[in-house]
Amino acid sequence: DTGVSQDPRHKITKRGQNVTFRCDPISEHNRLYWYRQTLGQGPEFLTYFQNEAQLEKSRLLSDRFSAERPKGSFSTLEIQRTEQGDSAMYLCASSSPERGPTNEKLFFGSGTQLSVL
Amino acid sequence: GEDVEQSLFLSVREGDSSVINCTYTDSSSTYLYWYKQEPGAGLQLLTYIFSNMDMKQDQRLTVLLNKKDKHLSLRIADTQTGDSAIYFCAKTGGKLIFGQGTELSVKP
Repeated sequence: DTGVSQDPRHKITKRGQNVTFRCDPISEHNRLYWYRQTLGQGPEFLTYFQNEAQLEKSRLLSDRFSAERPKGSFSTLEIQRTEQGDSAMYLCASSSPERGPTNEKLFFGSGTQLSVL
Repeated sequence: GEDVEQSLFLSVREGDSSVINCTYTDSSSTYLYWYKQEPGAGLQLLTYIFSNMDMKQDQRLTVLLNKKDKHLSLRIADTQTGDSAIYFCAKTGGKLIFGQGTELSVKP
């Protein structure tokens, strides 16, 4: 299967620790997105990359969060000094826009479930 | 999600039709989408509609768009227990903006 893969599936950490998640998009997709989803809510946009360039960051992405996509392939999302409010499912998605940039058919990974104790 | 709203729950009997509704406030989106999320899984794209269209049919799925009222609906014909999931509508805005999801429960 060559879908979007995320690692790890689950992460339990103590408050104040740093965590890093990895996302491998579908190989021919040039756009990569990070979303956060809490229970009972829809995914909230965090940031996205086109190739290696980070084009947009949500105001939800505090300075404790940093995302990289150094070679335009896989991406990492790091959260420093985790807080209990960071507990959520972190979803990665990728796309290859058709018919220009407005048709964003995103393909999602299964997510990384973060629990901050 | 910002300015995309859905009702939270819908319960139907197997074999009935399900209609999931979504309203949005910003009419600038070129495309609107429906995604499905099963427990413990990521989101799966079900279908999408171009904003110049009123209706799109894809097998058991029918999408209706009322652009004047900013209302989008997803009809699932002959609903099966395997359709039980959370359904999200989403609109484009440089990136996808999602509603909070409608949990569909299908009773046998």
